[in-house]
Amino acid sequence: ETGVTQTPRHLVMGMTNKKSLKCEQHLGHNAMYWYKQSAKKPLELMFVYNFKEQTENNSVPSRFSPECPNSSHLFLHLHTLQPEDSALYLCASSRSGTMEQYFGPGTRLTVT
Amino acid sequence: ILNVEQSPQSLHVQEGDSTNFTCSFPSSNFYALHWYRWETAKSPEALFVMTLNGDEKKKGRISATLNTKEGYSYLYIKGSQPEDSATYLCASGGATNKLIFGTGTLLAVQP
Repeated sequence: ETGVTQTPRHLVMGMTNKKSLKCEQHLGHNAMYWYKQSAKKPLELMFVYNFKEQTENNSVPSRFSPECPNSSHLFLHLHTLQPEDSALYLCASSRSGTMEQYFGPGTRLTVT
Repeated sequence: ILNVEQSPQSLHVQEGDSTNFTCSFPSSNFYALHWYRWETAKSPEALFVMTLNGDEKKKGRISATLNTKEGYSYLYIKGSQPEDSATYLCASGGATNKLIFGTGTLLAVQP
């Protein structure tokens, strides 16, 4: 257990659906991250939030919309996704100013 | 080197064997090098964060070394056990919390 939970663990959605991924950390951290891992590719940073403010958007398409209502929760809202968006989405957290990131188990997303 | 690269991509060893794998990273503007252990269907788990050239860190049977001048790190596992089977990720990290990951080395330890 890393102290970072993600729900759901698996999600299948059609291209016209709207869904959200949720991440919660119980570590008292103030930085949160979304990563994407596609098949046979490295983990790719999508978004970074520090103290609820977005500080990094790694050229992510607008069909992915993050939300960070407080330092413990992070959402990724999904809208009109494409089949190539099927991947494992990982959330992580850290204490701002420190380097070690703690990861959740990920959500396996399949877009049909 | 522009990206973080890991080799080999996969490795099969027998229980009791010692093994090692490599992470190569850009040596310019180096800040920190991270190693993670990732078991299937679980969360990636931090093993080491290394910052100093020549640094060596150890956790049980696992150790890592760092050469920031030439841009590489080695991870060693002594006396591999089946429970060591996992993907080992390395990542180069900057001061802005942004980690650049390699594709990982998949280790399978046969009993």
